Amino acid sequence: AQKITQTQPGMFVQEKEAVTLDCTYDTSDPSYGLFWYKQPSSGEMIFLIYQGSYDQQNATEGRYSLNFQKARKSANLVISASQLGDSAMYFCAMREGQGAQKLVFGQGTRLTINP
Amino acid sequence: SQTIHQWPATLVQPVGSPLSLECTVEGTSNPNLYWYRQAAGRGLQLLFYSVGIGQISSEVPQNLSASRPQDRQFILSSKKLLLSDSGFYLCAWSPRTGVIYNSPLHFGNGTRLTVT
Repeated sequence: AQKITQTQPGMFVQEKEAVTLDCTYDTSDPSYGLFWYKQPSSGEMIFLIYQGSYDQQNATEGRYSLNFQKARKSANLVISASQLGDSAMYFCAMREGQGAQKLVFGQGTRLTINP
Repeated sequence: SQTIHQWPATLVQPVGSPLSLECTVEGTSNPNLYWYRQAAGRGLQLLFYSVGIGQISSEVPQNLSASRPQDRQFILSSKKLLLSDSGFYLCAWSPRTGVIYNSPLHFGNGTRLTVT
């Protein structure tokens, strides 16, 4: 079964608008971490934001915030005031369990910001 | 601060030739090390990870192998490349101490391998 599901292969958004990228996850372990990465066309993987399973508040990092709904097992990334430089692939990922060595990725969403 | 170096950036190799990709980490000790592969337009697939020198866990049966001869060095190898080995290979590290599931992986810039 898929551990991480990203249902939006592609998203097109006007510059300066907010955008939400969807991510649902599957785990039975109470201890886990959820991560979002950005991959521009150059290929590097840039860590954006993290949410822990025990965190009471949604994570925020600058223009990035995470809409964490634990009961629904979703961890959507919200980008406010989108910029042309936000155009990239975005990946949701999870580490689960106390000895969580592995980071498992979703298939990604390609975000395109239109001027 | 910690840095991760991965080389070469691009590589074109004929089918049947050997492969060696190298990754080194600076500024940290005893890291967890990882090799991922990404097919064009797809997500990242974990190939190998290592929690210490000489300790390698393989995730996917394949034509590749990994080795960790030193604490901060991780090598991906193949004796004979296949066409299906083409892809974007990414090395990553994470701290081994602390709460593991809280720690992000930090990636190198990747190697784009084309097998012809």
